[in-house]
Amino acid sequence: GQNIDQPTEMTATEGAIVQINCTYQTSGFNGLFWYQQHAGEAPTFLSYNVLDGLEEKGRFSSFLSRSKGYSYLLLKELQMKDSASYLCAALDSNYQLIWGAGTKLIIKP
Amino acid sequence: SAVISQKPSRDICQRGTSLTIQCQVDSQVTMMFWYRQQPGQSLTLIATANQGSEATYESGFVIDKFPISRPNLTFSTLTVSNMSPEDSSIYLCSANSGESGEQYFGPGTRLTVT
Repeated sequence: GQNIDQPTEMTATEGAIVQINCTYQTSGFNGLFWYQQHAGEAPTFLSYNVLDGLEEKGRFSSFLSRSKGYSYLLLKELQMKDSASYLCAALDSNYQLIWGAGTKLIIKP
Repeated sequence: SAVISQKPSRDICQRGTSLTIQCQVDSQVTMMFWYRQQPGQSLTLIATANQGSEATYESGFVIDKFPISRPNLTFSTLTVSNMSPEDSSIYLCSANSGESGEQYFGPGTRLTVT
């Protein structure tokens, strides 16, 4: 079956760095997405990886290892506004997104 | 990118009634999707709305309960029929922007069934 695993909740301190891990098992693979979702709002796109390696975009970076079925989202210089849920989603062979349950990130001052 | 709007943003409905949610995209898109999200949970895909043909439903969702229309490349509707309290959820419309599979989401419709 198809499955996405990510931690349910993480806590970090303002100004610090946090890494949110995601492992996936899908029927075929056409890329890995990270979305941010604030409470009561729709998800917003953060990153897309289809090749192995690290993609950096400002304070946020995303890493993919296709051979390991593994990705992580790295958030640097954490700000209070980064408190949100972070959703990992893999695109399968039918170009359908398989969603993880999301990681709730709590930022403390 | 695509900007997506949904109507209504929220509604409180009585058991047994139906509600139609509208989704409008500011550009032509190939694929549109309808999701449901229970509080604190991830997204569950209800169906893929195909232009010019019937929607493709995921396991556990049927057309009689969730009829979908897709009259053109920028618009879709989802109807939640014969509602029960278990249908209380956030319903999200999304569109695929192109080859990468990246999806953009509407703001969601918060439905409460009493």
